[in-house]
Amino acid sequence: GAVVSQHPSWVICKSGTSVKIECRSLDFQATTMFWYRQFPKQSLMLMATSNEGSKATYEQGVEKDKFLINHASLTLSTLTVTSAHPEDSSFYICSAREGTISTDTQYFGPGTRLTVL
Amino acid sequence: GQQVMQIPQYQHVQEGEDFTTYCNSSTTLSNIQWYKQRPGGHPVFLIQLVKSGEVKKQKRLTFQFGEAKKNSSLHITATQTTDVGTYFCAQGGGKLIFGQGTELSVKP
Repeated sequence: GAVVSQHPSWVICKSGTSVKIECRSLDFQATTMFWYRQFPKQSLMLMATSNEGSKATYEQGVEKDKFLINHASLTLSTLTVTSAHPEDSSFYICSAREGTISTDTQYFGPGTRLTVL
Repeated sequence: GQQVMQIPQYQHVQEGEDFTTYCNSSTTLSNIQWYKQRPGGHPVFLIQLVKSGEVKKQKRLTFQFGEAKKNSSLHITATQTTDVGTYFCAQGGGKLIFGQGTELSVKP
């Protein structure tokens, strides 16, 4: 089956630093990748949608200058949390979709747990 | 914006009892997907429903999509401790919008 990996699986950083999270589709080419954030005991909230070679589309309320997304290839998307603060501590999950049809399945990565001190 | 409401938020059952979680939307859904997230884990895709009135089964799990394509349910028969986790519905259509989830705990 389709596999999506994320790196790192967890990260602890100091306030004010930047953190990069990678999302890779291992056995398929992902035309679209999605980034979600999940706070404890809450649902997944879509942050942004990224298509290979184009700018990401951010959801309302998500700061594009703070959460930088790059989808440089069909198998890799990165999320950089810039100038991280404690309130950015969360579980960040990516998903990847092979096709372009809305009913195509999204495959989720294992998530990255970010803790900002 | 569009959102899908999911209830209940929590469900505690005795092992062997049945469990159901419901999702409702005020608008017609193109499709609905169900995911399971174990504690500390990531969402795992269970199924997608597309057709009006569709019913799909996976062993002890039964998924239904309403005739009007505005509601859906997931029913687990005779729960087991391995069923523990949070079950999310998500409305499809380009991007997934997740419901609030139902956290299931099973007492052995």
